[in-house]
Amino acid sequence: EVQLVESGGGIVQPGGSLRLSCAASGFAFSSYWMHWVRQAPGKGLVWVSCMSGDGSNRRYADSVKGRFTISRDNAKNTLYLQMNSLRAEDTAVYYCSRDTVMHMDVWGQGTTVTVSS
Amino acid sequence: QSALTQPASVSGSPGQSITISCTGTSSDIGGYNYVSWYQQHPGKAPKLLVYDVSNRPSGVPDRFSGSKSGNTASLTISGLQAEDEADYCCSAYTSSSTWVFGGGTKLTVL
Repeated sequence: EVQLVESGGGIVQPGGSLRLSCAASGFAFSSYWMHWVRQAPGKGLVWVSCMSGDGSNRRYADSVKGRFTISRDNAKNTLYLQMNSLRAEDTAVYYCSRDTVMHMDVWGQGTTVTVSS
Repeated sequence: QSALTQPASVSGSPGQSITISCTGTSSDIGGYNYVSWYQQHPGKAPKLLVYDVSNRPSGVPDRFSGSKSGNTASLTISGLQAEDEADYCCSAYTSSSTWVFGGGTKLTVL
């Protein structure tokens, strides 16, 4: 079964850091671009970042550029999102998703990040 | 990276058809045929409904259909069913090699 499972969310103070993980199973992880997408409470989906299967290409939304870093360990079938200098507006459910030729066909259940003092 | 524009809400009765619009620019929807639609029930992860403007993944009923004209994409749901009540969101690839989502539309089945 194709599956994505996020973890690492929690409560963090403004200016703090957090690392999210997304464990993939059931497919050839290294062959796929992967995305992080977030959803603030009561709001819509917002694209955050993506990375190519071999890790050579990565892209970011302007709102997180310079603060967030996407990475992956293909030996562990795991995608990461290192989040630094967190702000209240980063509070959201963070989803990882698999990209299959420019669309996101598999999604995890999400992990919740709350930035609050 | 401005969000695509969707109506906040739409509604319809069982058996009817509804259409949700998604408006972008020539740098996203108008520039590529990489428009996708997602369905999201409360507290659940998004589910892919339509990709590449009008293609459906296996398992998605043909009641769901997508189209595009210029900078606007549309999702039509025919034969509305109670279980279709959910949030619907469009997404598009952009000329900046990034992705952008719409603000989401809440569908109410009356």
